[in-house]
Amino acid sequence: ETGVTQTPRHLVMGMTNKKSLKCEQHLGHNAMYWYKQSAKKPLELMFVYSLEERVENNSVPSRFSPECPNSSHLFLHLHTLQPEDSALYLCASSQDSQGWDSPLHFGNGTRLTVT
Amino acid sequence: EDQVTQSPEALRLQEGESSSLNCSYTVSGLRGLFWYRQDPGKGPEFLFTLYSAGEEKEKERLKATLTKKESFLHITAPKPEDSATYLCALTFRAGTALIFGKGTTLSVSS
Repeated sequence: ETGVTQTPRHLVMGMTNKKSLKCEQHLGHNAMYWYKQSAKKPLELMFVYSLEERVENNSVPSRFSPECPNSSHLFLHLHTLQPEDSALYLCASSQDSQGWDSPLHFGNGTRLTVT
Repeated sequence: EDQVTQSPEALRLQEGESSSLNCSYTVSGLRGLFWYRQDPGKGPEFLFTLYSAGEEKEKERLKATLTKKESFLHITAPKPEDSATYLCALTFRAGTALIFGKGTTLSVSS
């Protein structure tokens, strides 16, 4: 399998549930990212990991918790979400995160609905 | 004030009707400007990177150009399969995260 793979593709969860999103990249990249995409808004960067270390966290609420066990895998743990957290969550990878000069390669996202 | 503005928000074309999408920016010291294509239900797909004013990149019916204040994505003789949302993103300082525009949704009818 090639590229960036995200699972599940769709997720419906109640506000008291705990769930996790998974991302795997097969490109040999060093950096991985979580983005949130909402209608009519630009992509919002949530987290950046470079060589498995978190290098950026754009003031994301603590109900979102990332985990990067190795350079190929990235998780986003979700708990006690709010309805406004409903969105498309995109994972991406790139060769290098430090200069933001390398293009991002995105997965197809997880469509999250919080009820 | 938005640092990256894409226009128009939506564009409808007939097959074969050439047009351009615009990405204007207010930041100084541009390091790189990226164009992505996003199909419904999918993640953005990388198209081009432009680094300096005057630079041009081409891929099939698409050509991206860059000036000091804006970038254009020219679509020549579009086909229905070119229908998608086109996203512009840029970085302007070492270590600064990409800034995305809101995108232009292109619909091409036959």
